[in-house]
Amino acid sequence: DVKVTQSSRYLVKRTGEKVFLECVQDMDHENMFWYRQDPGLGLRLIYFSYDVKMKEKGDIPEGYSVSREKKERFSLILESASTNQTSMYLCATATFLVSYEQYFGPGTRLTVT
Amino acid sequence: RKEVEQDPGPFNVPEGATVAFNCTYSNSASQSFFWYRQDCRKEPKLLMSVYSSGNEDGRFTAQLNRASQYISLLIRDSKLSDSATYLCAVTFLNTGFQKLVFGTGTRLLVSP
Repeated sequence: DVKVTQSSRYLVKRTGEKVFLECVQDMDHENMFWYRQDPGLGLRLIYFSYDVKMKEKGDIPEGYSVSREKKERFSLILESASTNQTSMYLCATATFLVSYEQYFGPGTRLTVT
Repeated sequence: RKEVEQDPGPFNVPEGATVAFNCTYSNSASQSFFWYRQDCRKEPKLLMSVYSSGNEDGRFTAQLNRASQYISLLIRDSKLSDSATYLCAVTFLNTGFQKLVFGTGTRLLVSP
């Protein structure tokens, strides 16, 4: 079974803080993704990475950055948190050698006050 | 037009009913299609892939209609435990990479 873990289930931060969300997978998947999910808007892709140190912008990268120093770990960074970044953040992994099926972590519900 | 569209529902059905959801997609070049299930406050979990010839997994049947650009999910003999939000996902080619685009989900409520 694919296991994807995220550093926190719930997080409360203040406006302007730098926020780190971590994702770790144990299945040696090449591809990792960060999404945010908001009611009525669904899942929106923030960034993805297809290899160590490689990253690509998704549909809504503004206000975010990412880091992938090791294959199993993909971090999402909110440089200066704002209230409109309050959301559920979901990490996912996939190996395109097999298919585009994605496996999700449990999510981090971030509240920025 | 949205890349992937679903009726948000909710679909309210009694136990034992058959229910079907559709999901339309805008890119005729899309190659891979999936249905995910998401329980309240949980992460999406892959329910099944959708193959060109259609496929079945127990009470669940997925179909692809390329001509009309939609996929469908049929659930037979609904159980209370089927209550969830069902997300469709479709691959799109974007700047040299395939990305998976999700619909906003269809909510299903199965009642006793």
